[in-house]
Amino acid sequence: AQSVSQHNHHVILSEAASLELGCNYSYGGTVNLFWYVQYPGQHLQLLLKYFSGDPLVKGIKGFEAEFIKSKFSFNLRKPSVQWSDTAEYFCAVGLSGSARQLTFGSGTQLTVLP
Amino acid sequence: ETGVTQSPTHLIKTRGQQVTLRCSSQSGHNTVSWYQQALGQGPQFIFQYYREEENGRGNFPPRFSGLQFPNYSSELNVNALELDDSALYLCASSIDGDQPQHFGDGTRLSIL
Repeated sequence: AQSVSQHNHHVILSEAASLELGCNYSYGGTVNLFWYVQYPGQHLQLLLKYFSGDPLVKGIKGFEAEFIKSKFSFNLRKPSVQWSDTAEYFCAVGLSGSARQLTFGSGTQLTVLP
Repeated sequence: ETGVTQSPTHLIKTRGQQVTLRCSSQSGHNTVSWYQQALGQGPQFIFQYYREEENGRGNFPPRFSGLQFPNYSSELNVNALELDDSALYLCASSIDGDQPQHFGDGTRLSIL
């Protein structure tokens, strides 16, 4: 069965610091990769996605992620975080076959100090 | 465009009872997936419905069941509630099962 690991449970940064959140998955087949964000009191929102092509994908709000196939990784990055980036971040993997459910990591709570 | 809406927002039940949660998919979306998010964890896939048929199921017992209606809205039913069923239940919709999925705000279910 596929699984997703997010290495950091809670990350605390000051504004303007750089961010990198780790995500590794285990699955041997073709997958689609996602990062979702959950702001306090809001629903899960899609930050970015990777289906194929350029392994460096750009999402909303200045976020980007790099797919490294050999490492089964899809790390999320942002050069300079803002207080408004405080949220929980989830990495998710979706199979590209017919049953396209998402498998989520356990999430990383990001707190940005003003 | 209308997003995914779920009702009710919060619900309190006791062990052994039954519950029905509802979801209206985003306009134009014909596929609905349900997830359970326990406190401090990521969402876990329960099942998916496409054109009123179950189209995939996660590792949940049969007391978790669902329905999808011709207008693509959906219900999640849970029988014989247990304390461990306390969680946030999320509904997500998409077109033809394609990704990405779009999520609703969820229903917070508490079992006493």
